[in-house]
Amino acid sequence: DQQVKQNSPSLSVQEGRISILNCDYTNSMFDYFLWYKKYPAEGPTFLISISSIKDKNEDGRFTVFLNKSAKHLSLHIVPSQPGDSAVYFCAASALPGTYKYIFGTGTRLKVLA
Amino acid sequence: GAGVSQSPSNKVTEKGKDVELRCDPISGHTALYWYRQSLGQGLEFLIYFQGNSAPDKSGLPSDRFSAERTGGSVSTLTIQRTQQEDSAVYLCASSLEQSITEAFFGQGTRLTVV
Repeated sequence: DQQVKQNSPSLSVQEGRISILNCDYTNSMFDYFLWYKKYPAEGPTFLISISSIKDKNEDGRFTVFLNKSAKHLSLHIVPSQPGDSAVYFCAASALPGTYKYIFGTGTRLKVLA
Repeated sequence: GAGVSQSPSNKVTEKGKDVELRCDPISGHTALYWYRQSLGQGLEFLIYFQGNSAPDKSGLPSDRFSAERTGGSVSTLTIQRTQQEDSAVYLCASSLEQSITEAFFGQGTRLTVV
């Protein structure tokens, strides 16, 4: 059973608007979360992280929110740009500094110009 | 090269055959990781190499899977007696030290077992 779920396989957003990508997890021991971005024919690249001591982490246009009680995190991109069109993966772990993250299946974001 | 290079980019093999997937990490990177993404699944950790230390093989799904890293550089992932459930994209990544957030991924090898 998937411990990390991205229930929306795809999302389309108009350029300049907000993109919200969601991620749910089932294991309450998860305390460390990552988001990756992947362009076609390229490997994933790390985007932003958050740990459970915070409920928000911001990096430029990208903000990750964590609701630990709901076992839910979301990635907000504001404003969305066509270059943001990619597949976004969330990942979760119970341990810091590990490489054994559990990844979701990804959400394909398309930003329309 | 400038990035992590994987070869071949695509591989179609018959069930029961052995396959070798190659990863050329970024020069000087001591940490090397293998992951795979099967259809409809997230990335799954397979194996981790760090310098001359014994690799962490805890993610390998069966004893048909093995990997080596020669001279601390190139790595080869070998799948023996391939099965259809081995079909996936196999991703390699490398980093200076152990840090998956600072790792650079290759473009992957898409393996199809028919």
